[in-house]
Amino acid sequence: GEDVEQSLFLSVREGDSSVINCTYTDSSSTYLYWYKQEPGAGLQLLTYIFSNMDMKQDQRLTVLLNKKDKHLSLRIADTQTGDSAIYFCAESRAAGNKLTFGGGTRVLVKP
Amino acid sequence: GAGVSQSPSNKVTEKGKDVELRCDPISGHTALYWYRQSLGQGLEFLIYFQGNSAPDKSGLPSDRFSAERTGGSVSTLTIQRTQQEDSAVYLCASSTSGPGELFFGEGSRLTVL
Repeated sequence: GEDVEQSLFLSVREGDSSVINCTYTDSSSTYLYWYKQEPGAGLQLLTYIFSNMDMKQDQRLTVLLNKKDKHLSLRIADTQTGDSAIYFCAESRAAGNKLTFGGGTRVLVKP
Repeated sequence: GAGVSQSPSNKVTEKGKDVELRCDPISGHTALYWYRQSLGQGLEFLIYFQGNSAPDKSGLPSDRFSAERTGGSVSTLTIQRTQQEDSAVYLCASSTSGPGELFFGEGSRLTVL
């Protein structure tokens, strides 16, 4: 079955870059996503990448996909205190299909 | 409202009681999902409704859990004979049929004593 794994915790200094890693097992994954959950709030989509892409950049966010190794990463440049949250990696086999989420990586940004 | 609405936001119940959790998705969204988030855990998929298709119930942890979606809109998740391990935040999300931008509600926090 599908499985998505993430490290539990990341601590980073304000202004540094953060890199959050994710691995998945389903070779049929077509879309890969990063969601953010701020304290006391629901999840919000940050970005997604289609499986035929290697990289996607959106302002301070860079997503890298290594499809061969089934490895996805999210880089946040110039990390700010407002970036402190839980980041979830997720995958789906097709548009409109259910998403399988990883366990989330809690990112703590220290001033 | 414009977002996904869930009720109740908090529910405390006694072991063995039944509970119903409600989700109002965004109008026009064809897909509706229920996930469970336990303390310190990730999101566990429960059930998925897409349009008029048969729901994907593969994530329901036991036959005490059931869900329905009436008229392609509002959904109710029912947990019968609640157990302490059912304590979690139950998240509902809806989406259109495009690439998975799920819009999540704020969740219903269930505590089973």
